[in-house]
Amino acid sequence: DAGVIQSPRHEVTEMGQEVTLRCKPISGHDYLFWYRQTMMRGLELLIYFNNNVPIDDSGMPEDRFSAKMPNASFSTLKIQPSEPRDSAVYFCASSLYGGGTDEQFFGPGTRLTVL
Amino acid sequence: QQQVKQSPQSLIVQKGGIPIINCAYENTAFDYFPWYQQFPGKGPALLIAIRPDVSEKKEGRFTISFNKSAKQFSLHIMDSQPGDSATYFCAGGSSGSARQLTFGSGTQLTVLP
Repeated sequence: DAGVIQSPRHEVTEMGQEVTLRCKPISGHDYLFWYRQTMMRGLELLIYFNNNVPIDDSGMPEDRFSAKMPNASFSTLKIQPSEPRDSAVYFCASSLYGGGTDEQFFGPGTRLTVL
Repeated sequence: QQQVKQSPQSLIVQKGGIPIINCAYENTAFDYFPWYQQFPGKGPALLIAIRPDVSEKKEGRFTISFNKSAKQFSLHIMDSQPGDSATYFCAGGSSGSARQLTFGSGTQLTVLP
């Protein structure tokens, strides 16, 4: 398996623009996670899905953030409108069983810069 | 209650040294404590994990020490190498829980040649 795939790897945009980040989880994994990593706040869980259904989105910072998982092999994280404080590395991860004890497999991340 | 506190924020050691990274947790429901390793430009990857029924787990040069009464655990890297330079995250999780892993803030380790 190729592992978790994320695109784009780098995104530079201007404030106010819409940004869409994409993720393909490992085939057969039932759980998908979106994280944000910054120097100030470390690794934050934004939202996670189980079998394509959002389970906990309490980490989504604002209504400007939304995430979807239309099928088992694809998820998007959208920011509209983007702001400079959204600049961070966004990771997608997947796991087989979920819960607090299952290994999570992370993608390479998308480095987002909002000017 | 869900927080996992990690220290130090950064650490520099000479090759062959034994860096130690410490974590403390508050949630007594945690029963799974993994460490993830992240190299620059990559996503974190599971390095080693421990359950609270043992006080120590060793895998190669990496050892987790666990103190249940103090609610603390630490990562030791024996004979550290420049290739171990990375960011290390501790985490806590609960079996049978819908809650996911709670990560520490990370420690940036540099091993000098």
